[in-house]
Amino acid sequence: GEDVEQSLFLSVREGDSSVINCTYTDSSSTYLYWYKQEPGAGLQLLTYIFSNMDMKQDQRLTVLLNKKDKHLSLRIADTQTGDSAIYFCAEPLKSWGKLQFGAGTQVVVTP
Amino acid sequence: EPEVTQTPSHQVTQMGQEVILRCVPISNHLYFYWYRQILGQKVEFLVSFYNNEISEKSEIFDDQFSVERPDGSNFTLKIRSTKLEDSAMYFCASSEDNPSTDTQYFGPGTRLTVL
Repeated sequence: GEDVEQSLFLSVREGDSSVINCTYTDSSSTYLYWYKQEPGAGLQLLTYIFSNMDMKQDQRLTVLLNKKDKHLSLRIADTQTGDSAIYFCAEPLKSWGKLQFGAGTQVVVTP
Repeated sequence: EPEVTQTPSHQVTQMGQEVILRCVPISNHLYFYWYRQILGQKVEFLVSFYNNEISEKSEIFDDQFSVERPDGSNFTLKIRSTKLEDSAMYFCASSEDNPSTDTQYFGPGTRLTVL
């Protein structure tokens, strides 16, 4: 497909792990990104992974990349209420830095 | 930590009026971008700008839109005659190096409401 695809909604209990999945379009993308958007706020760069890596860990965040299937995932360990937000995956298209975003996954953390 | 700033945070305007949205990118960055997000929809690319000229623009970025870097720090988006459908959150972003490999940092956005 031509769109970056994400599931739209995830509900998780506080303390559990969250896994957000994304399918991207361009196997030659050099970097893949995860952005976080809290209600009414801007886009905060959360983490990114270089395309020659399979995994990247950054504190509670783990990014997994499957280039063969063009599949990207973000795992949040020990999810907290402050993790409630919309999470966007994004890939740079071949042209001048244009980022193509998924529709975003809304993560709701319940006590 | 350096960050992209945008003003105003919220702009309300009447249909047909001109608006200018302002951004101050991170100071050593060379590439600048505007995106927009209509409420409940995806973040969409509008335009990229490098070396004082547009590098790429999307279909959305028609003749009603223009961008400018009037001085060494500001980057502006002008909408000449706003339409109801221009109501959206507008995000400015900047990156340091080659845009296809370097990370884009986003500002907090300007919410534009066209009445």
